[in-house]
Amino acid sequence: SAVISQKPSRDICQRGTSLTIQCQVDSQVTMMFWYRQQPGQSLTLIATANQGSEATYESGFVIDKFPISRPNLTFSTLTVSNMSPEDSSIYLCSVEPYSTDTQYFGPGTRLTVL
Amino acid sequence: GNSVTQMEGPVTLSEEAFLTINCTYTATGYPSLFWYVQYPGEGLQLLLKATKADDKGSNKGFEATYRKETTSFHLEKGSVQVSDSAVYFCALSGTGANNLFFGTGTRLTVIP
Repeated sequence: SAVISQKPSRDICQRGTSLTIQCQVDSQVTMMFWYRQQPGQSLTLIATANQGSEATYESGFVIDKFPISRPNLTFSTLTVSNMSPEDSSIYLCSVEPYSTDTQYFGPGTRLTVL
Repeated sequence: GNSVTQMEGPVTLSEEAFLTINCTYTATGYPSLFWYVQYPGEGLQLLLKATKADDKGSNKGFEATYRKETTSFHLEKGSVQVSDSAVYFCALSGTGANNLFFGTGTRLTVIP
């Protein structure tokens, strides 16, 4: 498995601002993922972030709104840009350690946009 | 394409009752199947998984068997506890892919 931490754990932000969420894992992993969980709903994959390449975004998500960095094998950031109340969600990162075929999730960042 | 259909909730049970949460899937190839649990205020934790047909995943008294003939992966526990109150998500990972496809989640509440 993997131990994953996220910062911040929660935040309340004003409309039009941006928030950067950090994800740190305790071991080197190739595959990192960012998900969104809207209130009362299931998880939706935003993008896959592999070290050394551009993030791959799912349909409905764009880089200008959700820029991602992946500077090394243990760290990634997701920025939620120009926020609106509709961006209020839990944002989770996950990792898939090599040869496990299993994703492990961080504790999530609960974002509220006013 | 890949999709997961999960039993609608919420589910309320008395302590020591038997639990079943139904999960069926649609997938091409040979997916891996997972149950994740989300306790109140926390992130997702892997509960159990199965990677091929007829495999049984088990953890903390929970079990699920990968049934290819019925494309199902139902979660069961013989005797639930108050501490099992959480939201349970069924998920699949497609062949050769890393994306996880999640069901809608089932909220379980266990009352003393």
